[in-house]
Amino acid sequence: SDVVTQPPSVSVAPGETARITCGGDNIGSKTVHWYQQKPGQAPLLVMLYGSDRPSGIPERFSGSKSGNTATLSINKVEAGDEADYYCQVLDSRSDHRVFGGGTKLTAL
Amino acid sequence: QVQLVESGGGVVQPGRSLRLSCAASRFRFMMSGMHWVRQAPGKGLEWVSFISPGGAKKDYTESVKGRFIISRQNTRYTLYLQMDSLRVEDSALYYCATDGEGGSLDNWGRGTLVSVSS
Repeated sequence: SDVVTQPPSVSVAPGETARITCGGDNIGSKTVHWYQQKPGQAPLLVMLYGSDRPSGIPERFSGSKSGNTATLSINKVEAGDEADYYCQVLDSRSDHRVFGGGTKLTAL
Repeated sequence: QVQLVESGGGVVQPGRSLRLSCAASRFRFMMSGMHWVRQAPGKGLEWVSFISPGGAKKDYTESVKGRFIISRQNTRYTLYLQMDSLRVEDSALYYCATDGEGGSLDNWGRGTLVSVSS
């Protein structure tokens, strides 16, 4: 199945912008979704189709894609944004859901 | 508000079976595809299985094919995962989730913990 890669960790100072990347073969042609998972909680869909925010997700969250890399950006990072973030695509051959390995966001 | 509540997890020996359930609030359950996703302790998310709204289409990740069976009972708003021949590596928190737009998973339960150990 497709392999999707994320950096294990990203650290930013509060108030700065965090950028979390998601890469893999043909990411440019895939639909990418993003999830936030805080400790002890279930995942929460925070970005749909790479750049659409579901209802209730702050405008500080945005998404983009360039070439074979999708990026979740979080502006003006707050302590409450600390979480693991996962990207997810559909496998090109099977429609199986494929998650990236996750990125731990830390607000220094 | 979609609510999903998983149950049925526990501690079992390798080779034994468990059946997980996911009780759904009365949203459009009968019209929603459903997934199981698992997360081993300290690890990332792993998609396990999918079932279409009517139950005709079922799909599994390779590592559970032939051992796990996904099913649903729409009249009871309940999703199931029958897990047979359990292995130590199946130990994880198992989440059920609804199938959303574009292949996303848009609502999640809180999970039920499965521990396979001798």
